[in-house]
Amino acid sequence: DQQVKQNSPSLSVQEGRISILNCDYTNSMFDYFLWYKKYPAEGPTFLISISSIKDKNEDGRFTVFLNKSAKHLSLHIVPSQPGDSAVYFCAASAGKSGAGSYQLTFGKGTKLSVIP
Amino acid sequence: NAGVTQTPKFRVLKTGQSMTLLCAQDMNHEYMYWYRQDPGMGLRLIHYSVGEGTTAKGEVPDGYNVSRLKKQNFLLGLESAAPSQTSVYFCASSYERGTAKNIQYFGAGTRLSVL
Repeated sequence: DQQVKQNSPSLSVQEGRISILNCDYTNSMFDYFLWYKKYPAEGPTFLISISSIKDKNEDGRFTVFLNKSAKHLSLHIVPSQPGDSAVYFCAASAGKSGAGSYQLTFGKGTKLSVIP
Repeated sequence: NAGVTQTPKFRVLKTGQSMTLLCAQDMNHEYMYWYRQDPGMGLRLIHYSVGEGTTAKGEVPDGYNVSRLKKQNFLLGLESAAPSQTSVYFCASSYERGTAKNIQYFGAGTRLSVL
């Protein structure tokens, strides 16, 4: 049962336009959400996060929106640049769990291609 | 400041062989994690540790063992490798007191092929 879903495996956007990556979740216990960016042959890199007490968080060209009632979040990149071409993973945390760690549940990723 | 360092970067094993993957972090993080990434599957948690001397099972622990004898190191062992363990393995760490507990920082990965 997939708790974090990224339903679009890929997305192509023209340089300078807006990229919108979507993520849906099913576990209502999730209270912290993160986006990671991954280039080929590299590890995922933390991009931006949002707590469930907020509905928007901005960092430069990147904005994450959270709609708790719909259990949906999205990452907006404006303007998109060719260097943004990568796989983007959505991840969620339900706070302290298991043996006391803060585990992340990841989606399967969306490959973004920004066309010059 | 190197962050999270994984060794080796690549490895080819024959079925039944054993090996150990090493993860080292220099950020004084309490928590460490091992993931595997398979095509179309995202990142799945194998084992994790909440401190020196502790380990716990994640989502897909079978066929793997781990040890955290020192705070900065987290080892992942395969006792008898199987072709199903062909994957890219990522180590991550998180949480120094006073910082966010949820944000994990990843190494560059180890690409393992089991023939």
